[in-house]
Amino acid sequence: GAGVSQSPSNKVTEKGKDVELRCDPISGHTALYWYRQSLGQGLEFLIYFQGNSAPDKSGLPSDRFSAERTGGSVSTLTIQRTQQEDSAVYLCASSLLANTQYFGPGTRLTVL
Amino acid sequence: QKEVEQNSGPLSVPEGAIASLNCTYSDRVSQSFFWYRQYSGKSPELIMSIYSNGDKEDGRFTAQLNKASQYVSLLIRDSQPSDSATYLCAVNGRDDKIIFGKGTRLHILP
Repeated sequence: GAGVSQSPSNKVTEKGKDVELRCDPISGHTALYWYRQSLGQGLEFLIYFQGNSAPDKSGLPSDRFSAERTGGSVSTLTIQRTQQEDSAVYLCASSLLANTQYFGPGTRLTVL
Repeated sequence: QKEVEQNSGPLSVPEGAIASLNCTYSDRVSQSFFWYRQYSGKSPELIMSIYSNGDKEDGRFTAQLNKASQYVSLLIRDSQPSDSATYLCAVNGRDDKIIFGKGTRLHILP
């Protein structure tokens, strides 16, 4: 079956531009997570969706970051006015309730 | 107190020996516990899940859970160079959210 997919796989942008990262979870998975991982670092939690609602947005680094999920499925993470420190791999994961998370391949964001 | 704590390592283990990875968690109501492996440049992948006190074995891997002491461990028997990776402990918390530790880097020495 299809796993979690993310697009684009790589994104290079200029400082100050907006970017949108997309996550397609496994069909039927109710929970969806966004993480950020800088080189050699651990997973940094960004936001968690249960269905279309986000019980926990505490990890979003600033108000330049936002995320939405529609139809209990696809999620988009938007970063406005990107900064160089936003460069990282952005990982999406989905799960059925509080069960095993399945990770997508990630989007590597580079801000020049 | 961090919600899920792991020693960052690196933990170096000779090939063929047993690697022991430990994790402690702070929320006593946690019921689901997971170990993930992450190779450099790759996404995390599930190795083991455990929900009940005691040991759970799968091949060379054994997960151990002690809810009274709030720790979960992962043993890797007959360690291989291909086991060299970062191992992430994850625990379910409030609102069914899964919380990850920072991970332990494991190096298997040939």
